[in-house]
Amino acid sequence: GAVVSQHPSRVICKSGTSVKIECRSLDFQATTMFWYRQFPKQSLMLMATSNEGSKATYEQGVEKDKFLINHASLTLSTLTVTSAHPEDSSFYICSASGGAAPNEKLFFGSGTQLSVL
Amino acid sequence: AQKITQTQPGMFVQEKEAVTLDCTYDTSDPSYGLFWYKQPSSGEMIFLIYQGSYDQQNATEGRYSLNFQKARKSANLVISASQLGDSAMYFCAMRPLNFNKFYFGSGTKLNVKP
Repeated sequence: GAVVSQHPSRVICKSGTSVKIECRSLDFQATTMFWYRQFPKQSLMLMATSNEGSKATYEQGVEKDKFLINHASLTLSTLTVTSAHPEDSSFYICSASGGAAPNEKLFFGSGTQLSVL
Repeated sequence: AQKITQTQPGMFVQEKEAVTLDCTYDTSDPSYGLFWYKQPSSGEMIFLIYQGSYDQQNATEGRYSLNFQKARKSANLVISASQLGDSAMYFCAMRPLNFNKFYFGSGTKLNVKP
């Protein structure tokens, strides 16, 4: 299957700092990338959908200025958690799709565990 | 409204036995895809199997098969000959044609007992 690389896998930061998470599709062009957040033992919560070259579409309740998403190329999307606080601690997973058809699979990165002290 | 429901928060199965994980969905879209993903404790999401809404036959991938009942709007995952490595969270997901999103269920934690 296709490979999506996500870095870093784990990050610990101080409150008030910003953290950038990278998501790369290594062997296919990702027209759409999705960013999810997952709390322990819970399902994936979609944060935003990003299409290459356009602004991300955020889900209701997700702060755009807090979670900056950039999808500058067909192989790279980044999520920046700005001025992180302890409540932002979570598992963040990116995913990528090669198209919008119903049969297009979603390929996931390995996730980033963010801990804000 | 688009919705995926997994009613089994946790399941136990004996090694080498088969197990069925339930998934029901709701969508107004006539065309959609249904997916199952496995999430081990490491956190990665692993694609298991796909079923298209217009597919005539149930999907199979090795030990995984999907019991698709369109009229009942159900897409249950069947794992045959369970292995210890199958212990993980399992998520059902749906991708409607007219919504460029994946909708995930709440997941089922499967424990395979030796």
